[in-house]
Amino acid sequence: DTGVSQDPRHKITKRGQNVTFRCDPISEHNRLYWYRQTLGQGPEFLTYFQNEAQLEKSRLLSDRFSAERPKGSFSTLEIQRTEQGDSAMYLCASRSGLHYNEQFFGPGTRLTVL
Amino acid sequence: AQKITQTQPGMFVQEKEAVTLDCTYDTSDPSYGLFWYKQPSSGEMIFLIYQGSYDQQNATEGRYSLNFQKARKSANLVISASQLGDSAMYFCAMRESTGNQFYFGTGTSLTVIP
Repeated sequence: DTGVSQDPRHKITKRGQNVTFRCDPISEHNRLYWYRQTLGQGPEFLTYFQNEAQLEKSRLLSDRFSAERPKGSFSTLEIQRTEQGDSAMYLCASRSGLHYNEQFFGPGTRLTVL
Repeated sequence: AQKITQTQPGMFVQEKEAVTLDCTYDTSDPSYGLFWYKQPSSGEMIFLIYQGSYDQQNATEGRYSLNFQKARKSANLVISASQLGDSAMYFCAMRESTGNQFYFGTGTSLTVIP
C-alpha cells in the first residue's frame, strides 16, 4: 500500500475558473476527510465521507465547494468559480473504522488562485 | 470556544535536549481521543501519538510521550533527545466520540538548534 495519494500536487488557476482535485485513500479505509490549510493555521475540516455517504460538511463551507465519493473509494473535491481566498493547501486523509484510529494524510494539493 | 488551543507559536530547543509543546482542549464529551501530528516543510502531516480519554497511562511512542492531565484538559507533547530532523510544525488534534470531525490547533513551530 502506497498510502493516501492526491492529484494534482499543485494547481494554479485564474479567478472564476472551476478546479477539481482527486484523493485516493488507503484501500481498506472507509472513512475519508477533506481539509483546507492556510499558511500558519492548522487543517480546517471541510467534509467527511463514510464509504460513499457524505455524512458531515462544515457549516463554513461555501456552496461553491462540492465533494463526491461515488464508489466509496476515491474522492473528488470541486471548487466552482474560484476566488483568491480559496488559495490554500487542500489535504485529504483517510482512516479505518476502528474506534479512534488515527488519520493518514496525503501530500496535499496546493491551490493558487490568481 | 476553540476546541484545541496551542499557545506557543514558536519554540526553540537545543539538539539532544527535551522539549514540551503545550496543548489544551475543550470538550464536554467524556469520551474523546487526542492526537499529535508533525508537519515538516514538505507539507505532509505525520501522525505521532494518540491518547484516549479513558487511558490510564500516558501514551509513549519512542522519543514522543504525551503528558495527559485530564482534569486540566491538557495534552502536552514531550519530545526527548531532540534531533535536527524534529524541526517542523506540530499540531494537536481531538476527535470526540459524538462526531467524526477532527479539530486541530493552530500549531507550534519547533526549531532544533545544533
